Amino acid sequence: GESVGLHLPTLSVQEGDNSIINCAYSNSASDYFIWYKQESGKGPQFIIDIRSNMDKRQGQRVTVLLNKTVKHLSLQIAATQPGDSAVYFCAESVSGGYQKVTFGTGTKLQVIP
Amino acid sequence: EAGVVQSPRYKIIEKKQPVAFWCNPISGHNTLYWYRQNLGQGPELLIRYENEEAVDDSQLPKDRFSAERLKGVDSTLKIQPAELGDSAVYLCASSLVTASYTFGSGTRLTVV
Repeated sequence: GESVGLHLPTLSVQEGDNSIINCAYSNSASDYFIWYKQESGKGPQFIIDIRSNMDKRQGQRVTVLLNKTVKHLSLQIAATQPGDSAVYFCAESVSGGYQKVTFGTGTKLQVIP
Repeated sequence: EAGVVQSPRYKIIEKKQPVAFWCNPISGHNTLYWYRQNLGQGPELLIRYENEEAVDDSQLPKDRFSAERLKGVDSTLKIQPAELGDSAVYLCASSLVTASYTFGSGTRLTVV
């Protein structure tokens, strides 16, 4: 993916507020999208996914929105908590039996207590 | 369930030395992945296995990197010889035939 080196985009949010993390994906053929959360010293952790035949999917405190027209994906976190502080990655995949996932640039979420 | 287990957690080696990373996937997961993650970036796929067969190794620098997955379970990723630019976190992940991966905690490699 595109490299931003050490300069991760950072989103600072007050505890209890809602967070919105945005992602632009590159491949118009991608039909499966995933959000991952990565805490320091750990591997990425699956949060929520969405297929291209949907434009919205909700989980527990999280919602993913997909706009295929502009190739944009967003992750909304309701009532953000300190434990939500992490780097969030969107990822895209082209289905075909076996899926190869391409990760985008991460966004660092800082929750202010 | 133990999750995806990787070892070692950290490794510091001098350049030109060999190094190996080990991964034990979740039991029953037939697909195994090795990713490399540079600081501040998303993981990049190195190789994907379906059972014991490497089905996508197009991003693996084959002049110095090698991998194996004997008996379709554990996997080893090797670098020989290591270069300074190989410093990164090497992540292993496994899945059933979907893209809902489970990642291990990774091995942080520092080449000095």
